[in-house]
Amino acid sequence: NAGVTQTPKFQVLKTGQSMTLQCAQDMNHNSMYWYRQDPGMGLRLIYYSASEGTTDKGEVPNGYNVSRLNKREFSLRLESAAPSQTSVYFCASSEGRTGLNTEAFFGQGTRLTVV
Amino acid sequence: QKEVEQNSGPLSVPEGAIASLNCTYSDRGSQSFFWYRQYSGKSPELIMSIYSNGDKEDGRFTAQLNKASQYVSLLIRDSQPSDSATYLCAVNFWETGANNLFFGTGTRLTVIP
Repeated sequence: NAGVTQTPKFQVLKTGQSMTLQCAQDMNHNSMYWYRQDPGMGLRLIYYSASEGTTDKGEVPNGYNVSRLNKREFSLRLESAAPSQTSVYFCASSEGRTGLNTEAFFGQGTRLTVV
Repeated sequence: QKEVEQNSGPLSVPEGAIASLNCTYSDRGSQSFFWYRQYSGKSPELIMSIYSNGDKEDGRFTAQLNKASQYVSLLIRDSQPSDSATYLCAVNFWETGANNLFFGTGTRLTVIP
C-alpha cells in the first residue's frame, strides 16, 4: 500500500533551471495538493486540484505551475527556479468529495535546494 | 485570508505528564479539523480528526473542538519521549466545491524523560 509517492526525494537546481516534481496516489482520492514547508512558516498551500481536470491557486502560487494528469497524478513545475524556492515540498491527497472526511495523506517530501 | 494560529513553542513537559496544544482559526465556516504529528525530517502524519463540538478520544490523545470560540485543542496524556515532535493543526475550508486545507505553523513538543 504505497499511499502518496513523490519523486525525487532530493534535488539541487541552479537558478533559472526548470524541473517537475511528480506525485502519484493510489487511494482513489479526488483531491490533491502541493505544499511547501519553510522553517517557521508551516505548510503553505501552493496549488490544489479538487478533482481530475481542475486546478486552483493556493496561498503561494507564484513561480509554479501544476498539471492534474489524471486522477492519480498531480505534478508541480518550476519553470525558472529561484533561491526563494528552496524548500521542502509535500504532495498530499484526500477524498475531498464533500466538506467532511477530508483527511489529507502526505507523501514523503522533496527537499529542493536552488543555488 | 484564512488563518490558523498556534503557539510555536517549544513546549516542554516531563514524561508521564499531560501535554496541551492549542489552535485557533479565523473562518466560522470551517467544518473539519485535524491534528498532524511531524517528526524532524519526516512528512506530517494524521493523528486525530474532529468534526463536531466536544471531545474525541483515541488512546492517549483527546481532541477538543469549540466552534463558537473557533478553538481546537489536543491533549496528550501520559506523554512519552516518542511524542516529541512538531504538532500541526489543520483546518478545512469547504468553498466553491473544493477543499482547502490550511495549516498552522506548528507547536514543537519536547517530552523530557
